[in-house]
Amino acid sequence: QKEVEQNSGPLSVPEGAIASLNCTYSDRVSQSFFWYRQYSGKSPELIMSIYSNGDKEDGRFTAQLNKASQYVSLLIRDSQPSDSATYLCAVRTGGATNKLIFGTGTLLAVQP
Amino acid sequence: DAMVIQNPRYQVTQFGKPVTLSCSQTLNHNVMYWYQQKSSQAPKLLFHYYDKDFNNEADTPDNFQSRRPNTSFCFLDIRSPGLGDAAMYLCATSISLAGTKNIQYFGAGTRLSVL
Repeated sequence: QKEVEQNSGPLSVPEGAIASLNCTYSDRVSQSFFWYRQYSGKSPELIMSIYSNGDKEDGRFTAQLNKASQYVSLLIRDSQPSDSATYLCAVRTGGATNKLIFGTGTLLAVQP
Repeated sequence: DAMVIQNPRYQVTQFGKPVTLSCSQTLNHNVMYWYQQKSSQAPKLLFHYYDKDFNNEADTPDNFQSRRPNTSFCFLDIRSPGLGDAAMYLCATSISLAGTKNIQYFGAGTRLSVL
């Protein structure tokens, strides 16, 4: 059974701090990794995608991937109350149809 | 402009009364997905269409059916909704071509309530 594991949280950080969200996956051959942000009652919104080992930065967001450790993380710098949401880690399975396996998400609460 | 559009946003149905949820897309993506998401849970893939080919997940109940009459539209039919089917239903699309990043884009979702 292919799995994606996340700490459900809540992760509470003060405004302006760095929030660090973590995810592990079980399928060693996975190649594509995604972070989605989901506000309460809304649909998932893509924040970051990462495909190779190392760091990928986009504004205040940095995704980090370590395939040897089967670990992917998301760092949010200068956290804002508007970043408060559930962050879903998703891993693409093999094959042409691009199926994603989602973790249950980490709830982030940024305190003003 | 919304690219993956789901209607209605909120749907209330009665126990056992058939209901249809719709999804349309302007992205011309060849793959469309339906997910079910319950509170505090991960989105669960029900099925997907790769072009016209229907792919059902092994654990999707027979109560759930889908239709894709053309590239732009996809429907989720729940033949006899039970209380346990109350959830958010998410439609997503992606393009599956060599060299693309195969990112899935989600619609706003339909919140289904069963009375």
